[in-house]
Amino acid sequence: AQTVTQSQPEMSVQEAETVTLSCTYDTSESDYYLFWYKQPPSRQMILVIRQEAYKQQNATENRFSVNFQKAAKSFSLKISDSQLGDAAMYFCAYRSGSGANSKLTFGKGITLSVRP
Amino acid sequence: GAVVSQHPSWVICKSGTSVKIECRSLDFQATTMFWYRQFPKQSLMLMATSNEGSKATYEQGVEKDKFLINHASLTLSTLTVTSAHPEDSSFYICSASASGSSYEQYFGPGTRLTVT
Repeated sequence: AQTVTQSQPEMSVQEAETVTLSCTYDTSESDYYLFWYKQPPSRQMILVIRQEAYKQQNATENRFSVNFQKAAKSFSLKISDSQLGDAAMYFCAYRSGSGANSKLTFGKGITLSVRP
Repeated sequence: GAVVSQHPSWVICKSGTSVKIECRSLDFQATTMFWYRQFPKQSLMLMATSNEGSKATYEQGVEKDKFLINHASLTLSTLTVTSAHPEDSSFYICSASASGSSYEQYFGPGTRLTVT
């Protein structure tokens, strides 16, 4: 079974600074996707960024980028120029392949606070 | 696009009664819908996976007679919590996926259930 590990329960960053959230995963599969989701106080799950395992290039979405180290099974999220609105719980997630019933496996999450 | 709604957003019910939560994909046809449960400050726990017209597949440890899932159409899935007890109080989230988007999961806003 696949596992996703987020070992840091909480992190804090100063507004406008950069922060990196860590995530490791374990799998024996070759076809999979990795995701970072944001859950603000409203509790609506928001997709931040996704990475296909077959792609060597790290995904980037505006201020958000990932460092995907496939051999090390590491998938960290970097948030640049942190904003107050970035304060939320962040979940790293894994999904096998792209089948209709492919399940998401979530890490425990990390609570990010942003200091003004 | 890819909007998923849930109704109600919050519900209070008395112990022993049943409550139904609806999950709708508003602008796409959902091949598969997923139901999650989330306790405060914790991760999402997958309860079951449902496909239109088929019986839901429940995760290990989830009581299928207590959490009835019906996926009657490509845009609607319902979760009925039967004979609810205070320990069923939680935040329930659904997600929906469709073909043509690599089966990306789109999340509903969640339903807060309180059983008194």
